[in-house]
Amino acid sequence: LAKTTQPISMDSYEGQEVNITCSHNNIATNDYITWYQQFPSQGPRFIIQGYKTKVTNEVASLFIPADRKSSTLSLPRVSLSDTAVYYCPLRFSGGYNKLIFGAGTRLAVHP
Amino acid sequence: GAVVSQHPSWVICKSGTSVKIECRSLDFQATTMFWYRQFPKQSLMLMATSNEGSKATYEQGVEKDKFLINHASLTLSTLTVTSAHPEDSSFYICSASPQRGGNNEQFFGPGTRLTVL
Repeated sequence: LAKTTQPISMDSYEGQEVNITCSHNNIATNDYITWYQQFPSQGPRFIIQGYKTKVTNEVASLFIPADRKSSTLSLPRVSLSDTAVYYCPLRFSGGYNKLIFGAGTRLAVHP
Repeated sequence: GAVVSQHPSWVICKSGTSVKIECRSLDFQATTMFWYRQFPKQSLMLMATSNEGSKATYEQGVEKDKFLINHASLTLSTLTVTSAHPEDSSFYICSASPQRGGNNEQFFGPGTRLTVL
């Protein structure tokens, strides 16, 4: 299962749109792209997942280009409570839904 | 969404003792559960995949005799850290997946903070 690469940290301000990119050059055909949010001393929380093109839910959008070697999580109008670490592990759908986490992106939202 | 619980939420033990951590899926059956370890300021590291009714599959470098995993039912998996030492102090997180393969997400527990003195 391929590991992913993300920027170590990002800063933003309340009300802005935040886009976090994830690189997964060695993504396999059976891999799904998933995004999780983690607050300190808590388990990760699922945000969104996709296989290709664009996926949108009530909290975020996920953009995946045709080659699937990268993806971008878009958080509209962030607030202070969005300050967290964001991970983009790949999920292998052909097996046991195994996830391998990369380093994650530490997002800090400022007033 | 589905709920996964862990017990205890934190535990402090003396070096050399064993500690058991429980992971339960509260409103769904989990054929597969996963155990992760997370050190401060680091990412989650997958330790093992726990399958109901069969032996766990450990990731490379994880000692199976030190981290005993039992998945006796479709709603419960346990991780026992045997002969714990200070270097085993970490945040242990479990997750559960409702079915094998398919398109289902993993649901994570709240984590267990283990401190070994």
